Amino acid sequence: QSALTQPASVSGSPGQSITISCTGTSSDVGAYNYVSWYQQHSGKAPKLIIYDVSKRPSGVSDRFSGSKSGNTASLTISGLQAEDEADYYCSSYTSSSTLAFGGGTELTVL
Amino acid sequence: EVQLVESGGGLVQPGGSLRLSCAASGFTFSSHWMGWVRQAPGKGLEWVATIKQDGSGKFYVDSVKGRFTISRDNAKNSLYLQMNSPRAEDTAVYYCARVCTTCYYPVRFDDWGQGTLVTVSS
Repeated sequence: QSALTQPASVSGSPGQSITISCTGTSSDVGAYNYVSWYQQHSGKAPKLIIYDVSKRPSGVSDRFSGSKSGNTASLTISGLQAEDEADYYCSSYTSSSTLAFGGGTELTVL
Repeated sequence: EVQLVESGGGLVQPGGSLRLSCAASGFTFSSHWMGWVRQAPGKGLEWVATIKQDGSGKFYVDSVKGRFTISRDNAKNSLYLQMNSPRAEDTAVYYCARVCTTCYYPVRFDDWGQGTLVTVSS
């Protein structure tokens, strides 16, 4: 049960776009289109922002988008805003019927 | 509105026991897989356990197998996590979470509670 790999931190200026990668294996990210992304503001509970690789729950801004290629998934945030500053986590369903999370990426809006 | 309210957290000694509860409302509890996710202080999210709608299927992260037990009471709309023989490394905020409505498998968590802090220390 290994964690997915994410960069520890990324940063960008308001209006710019950033991309966060999430690398797994052929037993999780590469095996299913069940990659999700969560946003967590400091001291708050996580919030689902992307599911099934690229789908957005109702109410989530279309500035958030997701994709996947092989064993690596990506989250892109376009038109960065100050409110986007948070921690972001990817997760994937695995062949063992478990869930794997990434280590998290801290996004700083400069 | 979906509501998940955890309780039962606190200070527990290594080797002791603690039972976490999660009261669910705003949806048909018995129709959903449910789970627990934890977050150690300053660390990332870690999936802990998931339970099927009728309690017949349970899955655990390796580090808690044999020590923690997930269970549910559909009549009371409640989810539980029995923590036996906790260790210092189990110190974390524990979140109760609801699996997606249309999901046959527990592929993601759509809704989360606010969490309850468990501190394992002598």
